[in-house]
Amino acid sequence: DQQVKQNSPSLSVQEGRISILNCDYTNSMFDYFLWYKKYPAEGPTFLISISSIKDKNEDGRFTVFLNKSAKHLSLHIVPSQPGDSAVYFCAARGIETSGSRLTFGEGTQLTVNP
Amino acid sequence: DSGVTQTPKHLITATGQRVTLRCSPRSGDLSVYWYQQSLDQGLQFLIQYYNGEERAKGNILERFSAQQFPDLHSELNLSSLELGDSALYFCASSVAPGGGLIQETQYFGPGTRLLVL
Repeated sequence: DQQVKQNSPSLSVQEGRISILNCDYTNSMFDYFLWYKKYPAEGPTFLISISSIKDKNEDGRFTVFLNKSAKHLSLHIVPSQPGDSAVYFCAARGIETSGSRLTFGEGTQLTVNP
Repeated sequence: DSGVTQTPKHLITATGQRVTLRCSPRSGDLSVYWYQQSLDQGLQFLIQYYNGEERAKGNILERFSAQQFPDLHSELNLSSLELGDSALYFCASSVAPGGGLIQETQYFGPGTRLLVL
């Protein structure tokens, strides 16, 4: 049962253009969503997050949008740079009485071409 | 650099053996999480400890166990290893125990790549 899905395994964009990475979820109990970036042979690096009470959060070139009714979130990167080339993971946290866990999507490989 | 350290970086062992993976959280973080990333499963949550106590448990096999020590470092013990245990094992840390309405970010270490032959 894949509760967080990233349906595009890969995305290729030109430098300077917008990159849009998408993520869908099924569990309505998720209340906090995060995006991580991962380079080969490194651990996931936190990028940006959004609470379920918001619909947008922006940090520099990165913006995350949340559509709760559609159970969909997206990460926009503008402008895209070659150094952004990496695997991007969407993650979600559910409300639990104790402890915390993240449920991850399968990841999207972003390639930004110079 | 997230501030989370993991050792060793690589580990090669044989089926049936036992290994220990070590994690030191970021300074000030009291929670440690373990995740497994295998080729066909993606990143899967295994277990969380907060200040020495288990707080949340995922689909962790009975052959696997973890603990968090008074200095807050954590160890993940994998025993009776099978070929399918070959994976990347990540540790993450955060300040609070999580749960309820606390929304906080988990910061990941570089991982330990385990190869079981």
